[in-house]
Amino acid sequence: DIQMTQSPSSLSASVGDRVTITCRASQTITRHVNWYQLKPGQAPKVLIYATSTLQSGVPSRFRGSGSGTDFTLTISSLRPEDFATYYCQQSDRTPLTFGGGTTVEIK
Amino acid sequence: EVRLVESGGDLVQPGGSLRLSCEASGFTFSSYWMSWVRQAPGKGLEWVANIKHDGSEKYYVDSVKGRFTISRDNAKNSLYLHMNNLRGEDTAVYHCARWEAYSDYFFDFWGQGTLVAVSS
Repeated sequence: DIQMTQSPSSLSASVGDRVTITCRASQTITRHVNWYQLKPGQAPKVLIYATSTLQSGVPSRFRGSGSGTDFTLTISSLRPEDFATYYCQQSDRTPLTFGGGTTVEIK
Repeated sequence: EVRLVESGGDLVQPGGSLRLSCEASGFTFSSYWMSWVRQAPGKGLEWVANIKHDGSEKYYVDSVKGRFTISRDNAKNSLYLHMNNLRGEDTAVYHCARWEAYSDYFFDFWGQGTLVAVSS
């Protein structure tokens, strides 16, 4: 199975901060990494797919990058609505696997 | 507007069975792969199963193989998860999700989920 190790597991930040979340795969990802946002009581939402493609309707302050085993989600300027938990996910092979999640909290 | 609405979650005893349903609307259900993804309390997301648009291919995470069965009824725009021999570790919110598998591979729409609690 491909393990996705996400870091940090949580972080505190202020509105306007730049936030970076990383995801390291246990083996080279040849296909894609995706990023999701979860808020309590809501349906999860895809932010970035195919490593760097912004899903329709997602603000441009979200950016995905990376290749090989190292992938990154960056929020350029944190907004109040961005406080949530974020997950990376690999689509190379089954079992499809997620990172452990990063909770972004208000400082 | 794409909508996925899960139902069927309940409190069930270990060893029991349950069937989850997901009613889809706002898209051509019969053209898409579908999935179940779960989140145990205080834990992260875990993919459970996928099914091809025509039901001809199914894939499962090892921990549910032989106990869970994913199925669909395209005439009813519905996805199902039949769960047998339930264990405490199956306690989770179960989300139905559409799996975009034409060029890129990701869960592009999700439901809010239904809670399954396994306890005596």
